[in-house]
Amino acid sequence: DTEVTQTPKHLVMGMTNKKSLKCEQHMGHRAMYWYKQKAKKPPELMFVYSYEKLSINESVPSRFSPECPNSSLLNLHLHALQPEDSALYLCASSQDRSSGSLDTQYFGPGTRLTVL
Amino acid sequence: AQKVTQAQTEISVVEKEDVTLDCVYETRDTTYYLFWYKQPPSGELVFLIRRNSFDEQNEISGRYSWNFQKSTSSFNFTITASQVVDSAVYFCALSEFVSGGSYIPTFGRGTSLIVHP
Repeated sequence: DTEVTQTPKHLVMGMTNKKSLKCEQHMGHRAMYWYKQKAKKPPELMFVYSYEKLSINESVPSRFSPECPNSSLLNLHLHALQPEDSALYLCASSQDRSSGSLDTQYFGPGTRLTVL
Repeated sequence: AQKVTQAQTEISVVEKEDVTLDCVYETRDTTYYLFWYKQPPSGELVFLIRRNSFDEQNEISGRYSWNFQKSTSSFNFTITASQVVDSAVYFCALSEFVSGGSYIPTFGRGTSLIVHP
Protein backbone atom coordinates (compact mmCIF):
# COMPACT_ATOMS: atom_id res chain seq x y z
CA ASP A 1 0.00 0.00 0.00
CA THR A 2 1.67 3.19 -1.20
CA GLU A 3 -1.14 5.60 -0.41
CA VAL A 4 -0.81 9.12 0.84
CA THR A 5 -4.09 10.92 1.43
CA GLN A 6 -4.70 14.65 1.49
CA THR A 7 -7.69 16.71 2.54
CA PRO A 8 -9.38 18.76 1.33
CA LYS A 9 -9.07 18.20 -2.43
CA HIS A 10 -10.03 21.78 -3.15
CA LEU A 11 -9.91 24.86 -0.95
CA VAL A 12 -10.97 28.43 -1.63
CA MET A 13 -10.06 30.99 0.99
CA GLY A 14 -9.89 34.71 1.47
CA MET A 15 -6.74 36.53 2.43
CA THR A 16 -7.89 36.94 6.03
CA ASN A 17 -8.92 33.32 6.56
CA LYS A 18 -7.12 30.66 8.56
CA LYS A 19 -7.25 27.14 7.15
CA SER A 20 -5.29 23.91 7.36
CA LEU A 21 -4.26 21.26 4.88
CA LYS A 22 -3.96 17.69 6.10
CA CYS A 23 -1.86 14.78 4.94
CA GLU A 24 -1.82 11.21 6.20
CA GLN A 25 0.18 8.09 5.42
CA HIS A 26 0.11 4.62 6.95
CA MET A 27 3.19 3.14 5.33
CA GLY A 28 5.39 3.56 8.38
CA HIS A 29 7.38 6.25 6.62
CA ARG A 30 9.46 8.53 8.84
CA ALA A 31 9.98 11.44 6.46
CA MET A 32 7.20 13.69 5.20
CA TYR A 33 7.30 16.62 2.82
CA TRP A 34 5.26 19.59 1.65
CA TYR A 35 5.62 20.82 -1.92
CA LYS A 36 4.03 23.73 -3.76
CA GLN A 37 3.35 23.38 -7.47
CA LYS A 38 2.26 26.21 -9.75
CA ALA A 39 0.67 25.45 -13.09
CA LYS A 40 3.07 24.05 -15.70
CA LYS A 41 5.95 24.05 -13.21
CA PRO A 42 7.72 21.30 -11.27
CA PRO A 43 7.01 20.83 -7.56
CA GLU A 44 8.97 23.13 -5.25
CA LEU A 45 10.03 21.80 -1.87
CA MET A 46 8.69 23.75 1.11
CA PHE A 47 9.30 21.67 4.25
CA VAL A 48 10.76 18.34 5.28
CA TYR A 49 9.97 16.51 8.50
CA SER A 50 12.16 13.65 9.58
CA TYR A 51 11.13 11.57 12.60
CA GLU A 52 8.54 14.24 13.41
CA LYS A 53 11.08 17.02 13.57
CA LEU A 54 11.32 19.85 11.07
CA SER A 55 14.60 19.30 9.26
CA ILE A 56 14.33 21.53 6.20
CA ASN A 57 12.51 24.82 5.70
CA GLU A 58 13.15 26.20 2.23
CA SER A 59 12.79 29.85 3.25
CA VAL A 60 9.02 29.63 3.19
CA PRO A 61 7.07 32.71 4.38
CA SER A 62 5.73 32.50 7.92
CA ARG A 63 2.14 32.60 6.67
CA PHE A 64 2.73 28.86 6.02
CA SER A 65 3.17 26.93 9.25
CA PRO A 66 3.82 23.17 9.17
CA GLU A 67 3.03 20.76 11.95
CA CYS A 68 3.73 17.06 12.41
CA PRO A 69 1.55 15.78 15.29
CA ASN A 70 2.74 12.20 14.87
CA SER A 71 4.58 10.00 12.41
CA SER A 72 1.50 9.49 10.22
CA LEU A 73 0.16 13.01 10.03
CA LEU A 74 1.38 16.24 8.52
CA ASN A 75 -0.50 19.53 8.56
CA LEU A 76 0.06 22.83 6.84
CA HIS A 77 -1.57 25.79 8.57
CA LEU A 78 -2.40 28.75 6.37
CA HIS A 79 -2.95 32.31 7.51
CA ALA A 80 -3.08 35.65 5.70
CA LEU A 81 -2.25 34.14 2.34
CA GLN A 82 -1.85 36.12 -0.86
CA PRO A 83 -3.45 35.40 -4.25
CA GLU A 84 -0.02 34.34 -5.57
CA ASP A 85 -0.08 31.48 -3.06
CA SER A 86 -2.77 29.81 -5.16
CA ALA A 87 -1.31 26.50 -6.27
CA LEU A 88 -1.45 22.73 -5.92
CA TYR A 89 -0.02 21.70 -2.55
CA LEU A 90 1.42 18.21 -2.57
CA CYS A 91 2.34 16.08 0.39
CA ALA A 92 4.81 13.22 0.08
CA SER A 93 6.37 10.64 2.33
CA SER A 94 9.39 8.39 2.19
CA GLN A 95 10.76 5.64 4.35
CA ASP A 96 13.73 7.77 5.28
CA ARG A 97 15.56 10.79 3.92
CA SER A 98 19.11 9.98 4.86
CA SER A 99 19.64 6.97 2.67
CA GLY A 100 19.17 7.35 -1.02
CA SER A 101 17.86 3.86 -1.43
CA LEU A 102 15.05 4.62 0.98
CA ASP A 103 14.16 8.08 -0.18
CA THR A 104 11.65 7.28 -2.90
CA GLN A 105 8.87 9.76 -2.30
CA TYR A 106 5.26 8.76 -2.64
CA PHE A 107 2.91 11.63 -3.28
CA GLY A 108 -0.66 12.36 -2.33
CA PRO A 109 -3.25 13.70 -4.80
CA GLY A 110 -2.73 17.26 -3.62
CA THR A 111 -4.95 20.12 -2.48
CA ARG A 112 -5.82 22.75 -5.08
CA LEU A 113 -5.77 26.03 -3.20
CA THR A 114 -7.28 29.23 -4.49
CA VAL A 115 -6.73 32.45 -2.55
CA LEU A 116 -9.14 35.25 -3.40
CA ALA B 1 22.67 25.79 -13.33
CA GLN B 2 19.83 23.45 -14.04
CA LYS B 3 20.58 20.01 -12.64
CA VAL B 4 17.87 18.17 -14.51
CA THR B 5 17.04 19.15 -18.07
CA GLN B 6 13.96 17.96 -19.87
CA ALA B 7 14.35 19.79 -23.13
CA GLN B 8 11.01 18.64 -24.57
CA THR B 9 8.29 20.88 -23.18
CA GLU B 10 5.46 19.15 -24.99
CA ILE B 11 5.20 16.08 -27.20
CA SER B 12 2.14 15.19 -29.23
CA VAL B 13 1.71 11.71 -30.73
CA VAL B 14 -1.02 9.55 -32.13
CA GLU B 15 -2.05 6.42 -30.27
CA LYS B 16 0.17 3.36 -30.86
CA GLU B 17 3.21 5.45 -31.70
CA ASP B 18 6.38 4.97 -29.67
CA VAL B 19 7.64 8.04 -27.83
CA THR B 20 10.86 8.82 -25.97
CA LEU B 21 11.11 11.44 -23.23
CA ASP B 22 14.59 12.80 -22.71
CA CYS B 23 16.26 13.58 -19.40
CA VAL B 24 19.79 14.91 -18.96
CA TYR B 25 21.20 15.50 -15.50
CA GLU B 26 24.21 17.15 -13.94
CA THR B 27 25.94 16.09 -10.73
CA ARG B 28 29.39 15.84 -9.20
CA ASP B 29 28.38 13.03 -6.85
CA THR B 30 29.32 9.45 -7.53
CA THR B 31 26.28 8.23 -5.61
CA TYR B 32 22.94 9.56 -6.74
CA TYR B 33 19.47 8.42 -7.67
CA LEU B 34 17.28 9.14 -10.66
CA PHE B 35 13.52 8.99 -10.79
CA TRP B 36 10.64 9.31 -13.21
CA TYR B 37 7.21 10.43 -12.05
CA LYS B 38 3.95 10.71 -13.98
CA GLN B 39 1.47 13.46 -13.20
CA PRO B 40 -1.94 12.98 -14.84
CA PRO B 41 -4.45 15.85 -14.94
CA SER B 42 -5.79 14.75 -11.55
CA GLY B 43 -2.58 16.10 -10.03
CA GLU B 44 -1.08 13.18 -8.14
CA LEU B 45 2.58 12.45 -8.85
CA VAL B 46 2.87 8.73 -9.52
CA PHE B 47 6.24 7.10 -8.94
CA LEU B 48 7.41 5.09 -11.96
CA ILE B 49 11.03 4.11 -11.42
CA ARG B 50 14.18 4.73 -9.39
CA ARG B 51 17.72 3.92 -10.53
CA ASN B 52 20.92 4.34 -8.56
CA SER B 53 24.13 5.58 -10.12
CA PHE B 54 25.83 2.21 -9.86
CA ASP B 55 23.24 0.32 -11.82
CA GLU B 56 23.26 1.12 -15.53
CA GLN B 57 21.09 -1.82 -16.53
CA ASN B 58 18.22 -0.75 -18.66
CA GLU B 59 14.80 -1.66 -17.40
CA ILE B 60 11.57 -2.66 -19.05
CA SER B 61 8.18 -2.71 -17.40
CA GLY B 62 5.38 -3.55 -19.76
CA ARG B 63 5.21 -0.78 -22.36
CA TYR B 64 7.66 1.37 -20.40
CA SER B 65 11.43 1.19 -20.73
CA TRP B 66 14.28 3.27 -19.38
CA ASN B 67 17.75 3.82 -20.82
CA PHE B 68 20.34 5.00 -18.28
CA GLN B 69 23.68 6.10 -19.72
CA LYS B 70 26.20 7.61 -17.32
CA SER B 71 28.57 8.47 -20.20
CA THR B 72 26.05 10.99 -21.50
CA SER B 73 24.36 11.73 -18.14
CA SER B 74 21.03 10.73 -19.55
CA PHE B 75 18.09 8.76 -18.25
CA ASN B 76 15.57 8.53 -21.07
CA PHE B 77 12.10 7.05 -20.87
CA THR B 78 10.36 5.29 -23.76
CA ILE B 79 6.70 4.41 -24.02
CA THR B 80 5.97 1.76 -26.63
CA ALA B 81 2.60 1.70 -28.39
CA SER B 82 1.36 4.79 -26.57
CA GLN B 83 -2.22 4.99 -25.32
CA VAL B 84 -4.50 7.91 -24.52
CA VAL B 85 -4.17 7.09 -20.82
CA ASP B 86 -0.46 7.86 -21.09
CA SER B 87 -1.32 11.54 -21.54
CA ALA B 88 0.25 13.31 -18.59
CA VAL B 89 3.20 15.44 -17.52
CA TYR B 90 6.30 13.35 -16.88
CA PHE B 91 8.97 14.55 -14.48
CA CYS B 92 12.53 13.34 -14.26
CA ALA B 93 14.22 13.93 -10.89
CA LEU B 94 17.74 13.66 -9.49
CA SER B 95 18.40 12.90 -5.83
CA GLU B 96 21.81 13.81 -4.46
CA PHE B 97 23.21 13.74 -0.97
CA VAL B 98 23.05 17.26 0.42
CA SER B 99 24.44 18.73 3.62
CA GLY B 100 22.52 17.79 6.72
CA GLY B 101 22.20 14.18 5.72
CA SER B 102 19.40 14.33 3.21
CA TYR B 103 18.59 13.03 -0.21
CA ILE B 104 16.21 15.58 -1.67
CA PRO B 105 15.10 15.29 -5.29
CA THR B 106 15.50 18.07 -7.82
CA PHE B 107 12.83 17.91 -10.49
CA GLY B 108 13.14 18.77 -14.13
CA ARG B 109 10.58 21.11 -15.66
CA GLY B 110 8.53 18.22 -16.97
CA THR B 111 7.44 17.05 -20.41
CA SER B 112 3.77 17.19 -21.29
CA LEU B 113 2.80 14.15 -23.36
CA ILE B 114 -0.43 14.30 -25.33
CA VAL B 115 -1.59 11.08 -26.95
CA HIS B 116 -4.34 11.54 -29.52
CA PRO B 117 -6.77 8.73 -30.33
